[in-house]
Formats: sequence, C-alpha cells, structure tokens
Amino acid sequence: EVQLVESGGGLVQPGRSLRLSCAASGFNFDDYSMHWVRQAPGKGLEWVSGINWNSGDKEYADSVKGRFTISRDNSEKSLYLQMNSLRVEDTAFYYCTKDFGASGPGWYFDFWGQGILVTVSS
Amino acid sequence: DIQMTQSPSSLSASVGDRVSITCRASQSVSSDLNWYQKKPGKAPNLLIYAASSLQRGVPSRFSGSGSGTDFTLTISSLQPEDFATYYCQQSFRIPYTFGQGTKLEIK
Repeated sequence: EVQLVESGGGLVQPGRSLRLSCAASGFNFDDYSMHWVRQAPGKGLEWVSGINWNSGDKEYADSVKGRFTISRDNSEKSLYLQMNSLRVEDTAFYYCTKDFGASGPGWYFDFWGQGILVTVSS
Repeated sequence: DIQMTQSPSSLSASVGDRVSITCRASQSVSSDLNWYQKKPGKAPNLLIYAASSLQRGVPSRFSGSGSGTDFTLTISSLQPEDFATYYCQQSFRIPYTFGQGTKLEIK
C-alpha cells in the first residue's frame, strides 16, 4: 500500500523558514517524480514544486521561486521542501504527491499524503 | 501559464441525478487533463487521468471526455459520497495548473 506522510508543519513568523518532509512507502520511490501541492484556507489547489526521479530536474511555481527548494533522498525514500522567507500568503495545507511518471510533464498525481498545515503569522 | 476554467463554480443536485462539470484550457493541453475529487479534511483523490481513463478503484459512474481545450467530467448517478469539490488539472506543461474547483452540493 502506497503511503505518503508529511511532517514539519506548524506556526511560523513571516520571514522565517520551515522544512517539510514526506516519508514514502509502498512503492519504488526512486522510480517516480514527486511534487508538493498546496491549498490555502478556502481556496483551490495550487501546484508548488516538483522533482524528477534522480533530482536532475526541479521545477517551481512563480509564487515560490527563489524562496522554496525541493529535494529528495532516494536512499531514505523521502521528499523535502525547504521554505525560506515565508509570507502570510504561504499559509496552506501542503500535500506531498506521487507522480505516475519518472520525469517530465504529461502524467498525473496518483497518490497523495494527508497534508500538513503551515501557518505563517506574526 | 495555461489557465484552467471550470464551470459551474458550484452545483446543487440530488442523489441519482446525472451531472456534468466542464473545464476549459486557455490553450491546447492535448489529452493531458486530469480530474480530482476533494473532500474537507481529506487528501485529493485522482478520478480520471489522460482526459478519459478511469483511475483504478474509482466507480464507473465517473467518466471523462474531451481533448484540446474542452473537457467534461460526468457523474452518471450521484451517490451521497460524491458531494465534494472537483478540480481539473492540466499536466501538459509546467507549471501544472488546476481549475478553480466546482463544489457539488446536495439539493
């Protein structure tokens, strides 16, 4: 059974940093791209960032480019999101999601974690 | 970026009804269009991928159609567990983008 479990969320002040983690199990982690998708309170889904199977390709939404960094450790079957210079508008549930493909666009998100709340507030 | 527009934004229907939700892309996404169901407090759930392929384990009352810029999600006979918010998403080009969502409510 595929499982994705996020951790590392919480309350943080604007301008500070936070690192999210996602522990994966139940599939060959290093065969697939992985992504972070978020949902702000009362809003829709927003793709944040993605990384291909070997970390050779990393992509970001314009809203987080230059502030967030995605990474993965295939030996640990873990995905990470380093979030720096956090803003109030980054407040959201953050979901770790598995891509059906190993690299590039054209696929879909077939499994999702339960999400972790990040609240940016003074 | 490719903009995705869903209609309607909200929809009231009864158990047993047939409902359709449409999604329009600002440019062609070929068949790289996926549909997700989202319930409050739960993770999104993939329903349809590649415009018309039913994800494993998803009831056959869900179906998808379309290509290019215009797509439709149809639920043939609404069940109580189907009341949720539905999102389309294009995976044709990065950044991946979602529609704004369609909230399906009980009439």
